[in-house]
Amino acid sequence: TQTVSQSDAHVTVFEGDSVELRCNYSYGGSIYLSWYIQHHGHGLQFLLKYYSGNPVVQGVNGFEAEFSKSDSSFHLRKASVHWSDSAVYFCAVSANSGTYQRFGTGTKLQVVP
Amino acid sequence: EAGVTQSPRYAVLQEGQAVSFWCDPISGHDTLYWYQQPRDQGPQLLVYFRDEAVIDNSQLPSDRFSAVRPKGTNSTLKIQSAKQGDTATYLCASSRGANSDYTFGSGTRLLVI
Repeated sequence: TQTVSQSDAHVTVFEGDSVELRCNYSYGGSIYLSWYIQHHGHGLQFLLKYYSGNPVVQGVNGFEAEFSKSDSSFHLRKASVHWSDSAVYFCAVSANSGTYQRFGTGTKLQVVP
Repeated sequence: EAGVTQSPRYAVLQEGQAVSFWCDPISGHDTLYWYQQPRDQGPQLLVYFRDEAVIDNSQLPSDRFSAVRPKGTNSTLKIQSAKQGDTATYLCASSRGANSDYTFGSGTRLLVI
C-alpha cells in the first residue's frame, strides 16, 4: 500500500520569496507522484507529475518538483511566489501499475504581500 | 473541453435524510472517482469506476452509501441515511486511464445537521 505524508500543515512566505512544500511517500515499487492545488471553495487542479525519467519535473505557473528515491520525497518548489499562489497544495501517490491516487493531508500556503 | 460537472453545489440535510450527488465527467475519460474531503483534510477515495465497472469500493460505507455509473459516463453517489459525520465536500474526478492526471469537479459541499 502506498502512503503519502505532508509534514507542514501551514507555510507562510512573502511575495517574491521562494518556497518548498514537502512530500514524502512510502512504497516499494514503481510509483506515480503528483501535485495538485486547491483554491478555497474549488476542486483540485493538477500541477505536475512524475513517473519516470528526469527526476525534476516542470509544471504550470513556474512550479517544479524533484523526485528522490533515496529520500522517498517529491518536494514542490517555486522560485518566486505571487499572492495568487495562496492555496492548499496536495501531494498524491499511486502505484505505477495503475490504482487510484492517495492524497496527503495538504499544505496551506499563505503568500503575504 | 468542458470540465467535470457536479451538482448540486451545496446540500443541507437533517440526520436520516437521503441525498444524491451527480457527476458528469470529461468526455472520453473512462475512469471516474468519488472522493470525500472532510474540512481541512485531504481527499479520501470512496469508490472508482472504469467504464461502468466498479474497480474499488472497499472504502465506501456500503450500509448507507451507493454509487453507480450505468453507461460508463455520468455517475451518481447516494447517501441513504445521512449522519453528521458525513459532513464533507464530495469531489468527483475523471481521468483517461489509471495513471494520468485527474480533472476534478468543483465538489458538492454537504452539511448534515
